[in-house]
Amino acid sequence: NAGVTQTPKFQVLKTGQSMTLQCAQDMNHEYMSWYRQDPGMGLRLIHYSVGAGITDQGEVPNGYNVSRSTTEDFPLRLLSAAPSQTSVYFCASSYGVARGGDTQYFGPGTRLTVL
Amino acid sequence: GENVEQHPSTLSVQEGDSAVIKCTYSDSASNYFPWYKQELGKRPQLIIDIRSNVGEKKDQRIAVTLNKTAKHFSLHITETQPEDSAVYFCAASISSNYQLIWGAGTKLIIKP
Repeated sequence: NAGVTQTPKFQVLKTGQSMTLQCAQDMNHEYMSWYRQDPGMGLRLIHYSVGAGITDQGEVPNGYNVSRSTTEDFPLRLLSAAPSQTSVYFCASSYGVARGGDTQYFGPGTRLTVL
Repeated sequence: GENVEQHPSTLSVQEGDSAVIKCTYSDSASNYFPWYKQELGKRPQLIIDIRSNVGEKKDQRIAVTLNKTAKHFSLHITETQPEDSAVYFCAASISSNYQLIWGAGTKLIIKP
């Protein structure tokens, strides 16, 4: 199993550009989520999904969109990039939907810089 | 909103000594408390977790204790080794939805 994969690993955008961060998992996990991690801070939840066709907002959803058309894929779209979105983005998945009470497996991360 | 406070933000210990990191949470109905380790430039990885029906859990040199009354839980690492140097994050589940709320992290430095 490849686990959780993310592409790209690095990305530089100009203010106002849009892009999609890709996330895929091959573990048949129901729960998938996107976090951002800023220097010296913990992980902040952007959006999450408890199954195909079901998504919901996390702590910091503004400026981001998600969709979940399949169990495997959970892309994150930046609509109009801003310097405040410079961060490291992690995708994570877990097997169950037992109210978050399950091991989350993280992807390797995408380091995004917005100029 | 719900939050998790983690202390200290930096912890420096001599190799071979013990390290303790503490977290407090606000949602009294939280029932799942994981600890993750993140090495520099790497992804977070689960090292141990505990559920609200258990007071303590051990895995070799790592242990977690939970005090539901006081709403705090702690990570204990004994006989620290250089490879324990990393940032450690605690988290707590939110009873009303599927989210985990994360602490801000503790940078653990093991001095040779």
